[in-house]
Amino acid sequence: DAGITQSPRHKVTETGTPVTLRCHQTENHRYMYWYRQDPGHGLRLIHYSYGVKDTDKGEVSDGYSVSRSKTEDFLLTLESATSSQTSVYFCASGTGNYGYTFGSGTRLTVV
Amino acid sequence: AQSVTQPDIHITVSEGASLELRCNYSYGATPYLFWYVQSPGQGLQLLLKYFSGDTLVQGIKGFEAEFKRSQSSFNLRKPSVHWSDAAEYFCAVGAGAQKLVFGQGTRLTINP
Repeated sequence: DAGITQSPRHKVTETGTPVTLRCHQTENHRYMYWYRQDPGHGLRLIHYSYGVKDTDKGEVSDGYSVSRSKTEDFLLTLESATSSQTSVYFCASGTGNYGYTFGSGTRLTVV
Repeated sequence: AQSVTQPDIHITVSEGASLELRCNYSYGATPYLFWYVQSPGQGLQLLLKYFSGDTLVQGIKGFEAEFKRSQSSFNLRKPSVHWSDAAEYFCAVGAGAQKLVFGQGTRLTINP
């Protein structure tokens, strides 16, 4: 199916552990994005990619890293999870003139 | 810098009533404008978009939006809401390869 698939959909992890969230797109989009969504904060951009191996920071990048080894896949890693990183994470692909396609989100709880 | 303002954080309307959600943007050139909807527990889905031409654009689920350059607005409307329209709505502005800028969202509640 076309679109974006995020995995896992839900995850509970312990403070201090590394966590990797996966995003897979079949849209063949060059640009991909990771957002977090928290009540009262809307969507906040964590990192984005403008091509394979080309990534840059967003507004809330501290504590997160990303990698993109293939056009289709964009990984978000929480290097050492903290309770403040409990959130819903969304992956998206697309551009400013065509708009984005969003995944269904990953709900991450850090305990 | 680009910015998007959705003045209403939360709106409640009765089922069957008309709806208008406000969006104001700031952008130095001709903008590309979008409205997305997010149902509970879901990702964002594109409702409609404006690139150029007719300033009244039609979208999915019976929604429409009107681009008013003089007011820097792109308000979303629906003549008669259904209980299934309860969701969060996001306005966004972008252009070219630049990242979209999103508003903070408006949460819509429908009273039966």
